[in-house]
Amino acid sequence: DQQVKQNSPSLSVQEGRISILNCDYTNSMFDYFLWYKKYPAEGPTFLISISSIKDKNEDGRFTVFLNKSAKHLSLHIVPSQPGDSAVYFCAASRNAGNMLTFGGGTRLMVKP
Amino acid sequence: GAGVSQTPSNKVTEKGKYVELRCDPISGHTALYWYRQSLGQGPEFLIYFQGTGAADDSGLPNDRFFAVRPEGSVSTLKIQRTERGDSAVYLCASSLPYNEQFFGPGTRLTVL
Repeated sequence: DQQVKQNSPSLSVQEGRISILNCDYTNSMFDYFLWYKKYPAEGPTFLISISSIKDKNEDGRFTVFLNKSAKHLSLHIVPSQPGDSAVYFCAASRNAGNMLTFGGGTRLMVKP
Repeated sequence: GAGVSQTPSNKVTEKGKYVELRCDPISGHTALYWYRQSLGQGPEFLIYFQGTGAADDSGLPNDRFFAVRPEGSVSTLKIQRTERGDSAVYLCASSLPYNEQFFGPGTRLTVL
């Protein structure tokens, strides 16, 4: 029973355009959501988070949107850069500081 | 400052053997987490420490897996009677209370 799902295993985007990565969850008790980026042979790197009391959080080129009624969140990267090419994981927890439940990841490829 | 470190980076062992994986968290981080990541999947939670005590060990798959954090800093994940299905990347993360988790590079365990 996957509580966090990333339905697109891969995404290819042209440099300079917007990348949109999607994530769906089923557990209504989740109230804290995060996005991590992972390069090969490295651990996941924290990108951005959002609490369920918000519907948007922005940090530079990265914006996370949360739609609680649809149990859906998305990560927007604009403009996309070749260095953004990596696997992106969304994760959710019940309160910040608790165990994370991860999606299966989406491989983003940004072409020059 | 230094990030989360994990040793060894790679471990190859034979079925039935005992292994220990070590995690050095970021200095001052009271929370420490272990996750396991199989190929093509997102990380899966194993166990969470707050200080020296295991606050949540619900993710440990069976009693062959055990983890300790005797002084509230370094943690060791111990796997007895290893099986081929234990092969995965074992990730450690640490955090301040109610904050995002920072991951180490992982230990790749291969059980032959």
